[in-house]
Amino acid sequence: AQSVTQLDSHVSVSEGTPVLLRCNYSSSYSPSLFWYVQHPNKGLQLLLKYTSAATLVKGINGFEAEFKKSETSFHLTKPSAHMSDAAEYFCVVSDGGAGNMLTFGGGTRLMVKP
Amino acid sequence: DTGVSQDPRHKITKRGQNVTFRCDPISEHNRLYWYRQTLGQGPEFLTYFQNEAQLEKSRLLSDRFSAERPKGSFSTLEIQRTEQGDSAMYLCASSLTGEYEKLFFGSGTQLSVL
Repeated sequence: AQSVTQLDSHVSVSEGTPVLLRCNYSSSYSPSLFWYVQHPNKGLQLLLKYTSAATLVKGINGFEAEFKKSETSFHLTKPSAHMSDAAEYFCVVSDGGAGNMLTFGGGTRLMVKP
Repeated sequence: DTGVSQDPRHKITKRGQNVTFRCDPISEHNRLYWYRQTLGQGPEFLTYFQNEAQLEKSRLLSDRFSAERPKGSFSTLEIQRTEQGDSAMYLCASSLTGEYEKLFFGSGTQLSVL
């Protein structure tokens, strides 16, 4: 069975400073990994995905994530935080099966201070 | 493309009552998923449909839960004899087969069981 662990439930940064949201995964096979973002009162939105191509994945809104097999990590980063980045972020792994059942981490709430 | 819509947005019910939620996916999407999200947790997979066929159900989906997608378009999720533990946000998502990793989520139905 696959799982993901988000190491921080809350992260607070100042606007204009870098963002790091940490995620470790566990999977018995080569995983597909994703980051989703959830803004208040809005649906979850796919931020980026890793599916065994390039290990550095670029997503929307300047976010990127690096797949590190040796560390079983898939951390999400952004060079400079914007107020609009404040949201809940979920690291997600797919079961790789036909149904693509997604297993979500517990989430990290990102707060951006002016 | 109006996105995935869910109805109602909020539902308050008394323990023991039955409730039904509706999800309208993006029109050309043939896959439809139901997830449940409790406060402070990531969404958990419940079930999914490929067109009108329900192909997988989670162990979380007890006998009191039933989902249908009769014509391969909208879907309903019914909970019978609700319990306080059913209180959660119920999320619907849809995707195109072959683009399984890109799920489009609705804003969810928030259920409160008193």
